[in-house]
Amino acid sequence: EIVMTQSPATLSVSPGERATLSCRAGQSVSSNLVWYQQKPGQAPRLLIYGASTRATGIPARFSGSGSGTEFTLTISSLQSEDFAVYFCQQYNNWPQTFGQGTKLEIK
Amino acid sequence: EVQVVEHGGGLVQPGGSLRLSCVASGFTFNNYWMHWVRQAPGKGLVWVSRINSDSTSSSYADSVKGRFTISRDNAKNTLYLQLNTLRAEDTAVYHCASSGHYSMDPFDIWGQGTMVTVSS
Repeated sequence: EIVMTQSPATLSVSPGERATLSCRAGQSVSSNLVWYQQKPGQAPRLLIYGASTRATGIPARFSGSGSGTEFTLTISSLQSEDFAVYFCQQYNNWPQTFGQGTKLEIK
Repeated sequence: EVQVVEHGGGLVQPGGSLRLSCVASGFTFNNYWMHWVRQAPGKGLVWVSRINSDSTSSSYADSVKGRFTISRDNAKNTLYLQLNTLRAEDTAVYHCASSGHYSMDPFDIWGQGTMVTVSS
């Protein structure tokens, strides 16, 4: 199965600043990469699919980029509600596999 | 409102069994692939099992194969996961999720999960 590696494990950023999260695949997953946001006690929420397409209702400050093995999620101007854990997932190969997550915390 | 709600978690001894359920509403459940994904405390998400819309196809992660069984009742809009021969490492929050019409699409519907604790 494909190993997904996210970095950093924890990212401390001030509100209003930009956050950049990385996800690396152990082999090419083309553009079949999604990002989820998860807050404590809540269900994961689909943010980005196809590496760069925002899901319905996701604000434009969230953007995704990359293909192959290197992917990035950028949040352009952090709002208080954005502090959460972010997971990437590949859906190119079965079984679908997830990264270990990046915790985005308030600096 | 589109939602799935899981039930059935709890504390069980090693070697024990549990049946989880996931009730869907707000979407055409009987058209969609459904999955179980688990998350151990403080850890990441791990796919566990999937089943197609008419129950003719199912798959499992190697770690649960032979011990867990996925099923669904489309008349009741409900997904199930039977957990047998439980181990401490099965302790996790179990989420149900949907990938829509295709098994390998992203999971766009998730539940909050139900906690399973395996401990003596």
